[in-house]
Amino acid sequence: NAGVTQTPKFQVLKTGQSMTLQCAQDMNHNSMYWYRQDPGMGLRLIYYSASEGTTDKGEVPNGYNVSRLNKREFSLRLESAAPSQTSVYFCASSEGRGSGYTFGSGTRLTVV
Amino acid sequence: AQSVTQPDIHITVSEGASLELRCNYSYGATPYLFWYVQSPGQGLQLLLKYFSGDTLVQGIKGFEAEFKRSQSSFNLRKPSVHWSDAAEYFCAVAPSGNTGKLIFGQGTTLQVKP
Repeated sequence: NAGVTQTPKFQVLKTGQSMTLQCAQDMNHNSMYWYRQDPGMGLRLIYYSASEGTTDKGEVPNGYNVSRLNKREFSLRLESAAPSQTSVYFCASSEGRGSGYTFGSGTRLTVV
Repeated sequence: AQSVTQPDIHITVSEGASLELRCNYSYGATPYLFWYVQSPGQGLQLLLKYFSGDTLVQGIKGFEAEFKRSQSSFNLRKPSVHWSDAAEYFCAVAPSGNTGKLIFGQGTTLQVKP
């Protein structure tokens, strides 16, 4: 099925460990996004990539890095995980401002 | 700064009753507005969107929303709620430019009583 694929779906990390969340879309969308979802706070933008080869910070970028590997793939890296990064992470893609997002199913990350 | 407020954190309605979820935005220009639904453990699904034209927009699953510029609101409605509508609902606004970034409200959790 066409859409946005995120891996892994679940992950437990120890404080200080690193990991990369993978995201791929097959809809030929130009723009891709990483959000985190925390109870009572909605979704907050971490990083986005408006087009292949560009990335920009969102509202909560500290502690994260991203790579737009090609038009399809946009990865999110935690270099040194902290308990405050325990969250559900969503990747999304979009054709542009008026089209809305297609979301992945999310990665539930716990940092202990 | 642009912002989206959903005043109701949690709403409970009886099955078959009507529903209105509130959304207020703070944005200077003509906004692009969206409603998403998230079922437990799932990603978000687009219900409907507005950016011009008729201020009453129809979406999937029997939902509609009305844009009221004078009130800076974009409330979501459904005439008769089904138990399967229990979920979390998010209002979002797209700021200017073509990055496609969305700013989300805090979400409203809908519980449906039998």
